[in-house]
Amino acid sequence: DSGVTQTPKHLITATGQRVTLRCSPRSGDLSVYWYQQSLDQGLQFLIQYYNGEERAKGNILERFSAQQFPDLHSELNLSSLELGDSALYFCASSFDPGLHYNEQFFGPGTRLTVL
Amino acid sequence: GIQVEQSPPDLILQEGANSTLRCNFSDSVNNLQWFHQNPWGQLINLFYIPSGTKQNGRLSATTVATERYSLLYISSSQTTDSGVYFCAVERGGGSYIPTFGRGTSLIVHP
Repeated sequence: DSGVTQTPKHLITATGQRVTLRCSPRSGDLSVYWYQQSLDQGLQFLIQYYNGEERAKGNILERFSAQQFPDLHSELNLSSLELGDSALYFCASSFDPGLHYNEQFFGPGTRLTVL
Repeated sequence: GIQVEQSPPDLILQEGANSTLRCNFSDSVNNLQWFHQNPWGQLINLFYIPSGTKQNGRLSATTVATERYSLLYISSSQTTDSGVYFCAVERGGGSYIPTFGRGTSLIVHP
């Protein structure tokens, strides 16, 4: 158990809908990362938050958004869902990337299926 | 962005065999990690190793940062080692964007 929690574990929804994925980082970690893993694209970095602020942005679609709350948990919002958004979504956390020691620990993932 | 290449893409072993997995990266890095994704999809930390050598039981890893590669050694493989092994890096110079390789898929037969 990495100490990172994600809910829900599974999510099945229809095209055009909106869903919210939730992540709680390890105790003491300030940074949260979101990733998408699909069969054809591999593990893709989406976005990173550090202590409530956006720190880095990767291949995140405009239909997707995220935020990190004062208690450091994070949510990833996916809207206008398409079949191609079906994937495993991971959250990871780390203590402080600014120290250049940035070991990431991954949650169990949320499997999203869009029908 | 930085390119990360892992080899071989697929590996099939008999239990007890040894193997070496490689990760090449195209630029200097501040951070490098090896992960194992088990058949249930869970990503498990193996090593945080931006440089040097580390060992943990039957696994060890070496990163030669100046030559831009890292190696993961698995000795006396077991069926529970099956899964996909990923290398992930963060480029130096204040970039916080992590990049994963495509992984090495390992199957260990009893």
